[in-house]
Amino acid sequence: NAGVTQTPKFRILKIGQSMTLQCTQDMNHNYMYWYRQDPGMGLKLIYYSVGAGITDKGEVPNGYNVSRSTTEDFPLRLELAAPSQTSVYFCATTTSGGLGLKQETQYFGPGTRLLVL
Amino acid sequence: KQEVTQIPAALSVPEGENLVLNCSFTDSAIYNLQWFRQDPGKGLTSLLLIQSSQREQTSGRLNASLDKSSGRSTLYIAASQPGDSATYLCAVSGSNYKLTFGKGTLLTVNP
Repeated sequence: NAGVTQTPKFRILKIGQSMTLQCTQDMNHNYMYWYRQDPGMGLKLIYYSVGAGITDKGEVPNGYNVSRSTTEDFPLRLELAAPSQTSVYFCATTTSGGLGLKQETQYFGPGTRLLVL
Repeated sequence: KQEVTQIPAALSVPEGENLVLNCSFTDSAIYNLQWFRQDPGKGLTSLLLIQSSQREQTSGRLNASLDKSSGRSTLYIAASQPGDSATYLCAVSGSNYKLTFGKGTLLTVNP
């Protein structure tokens, strides 16, 4: 049981290039999230998904796109990289297990460090 | 819009001391509150989750409390150790379990 895995661990991009950050989970969780963390700041939500085929914007979605074709995978796409997208990107998952509105904790991947020059 | 504030931003204590980290949030309509630990260059590890209907949770030397009506939570660490040195993040869960994070408290425990 690997939990949440992210690739790559580190990447340098030139301005205007594109790339996809990969996130895979093996916990069969229905909810998945992408956050970014800038130095000295807390995490901010980029996009999230409540299940395969369903995605929605978070607080800072501009410049990013996502898709969720399977329960396991939730890739984040940067189409035209900009210096403002230099950050550490974390993928997280949770499940709505339990009775009523009881929620589970969020499990985080190890992160992808992205530098845009 | 939910806002989460953590005080202090940094804390340095000698080994063995008991300490309290504070978290406040502006919207009391939360589903749960979570405390995370983050080591330098690493991901987040969940420490404690408190449901909105609960008042506190304990795990080992850690105790977290929640006062939803006043928008406050505290994380109490007993008998601190150098291995506790890390950044501690507080986050509140809203609709679809989306988390809003504070900026964290950087804790240093000196031997």
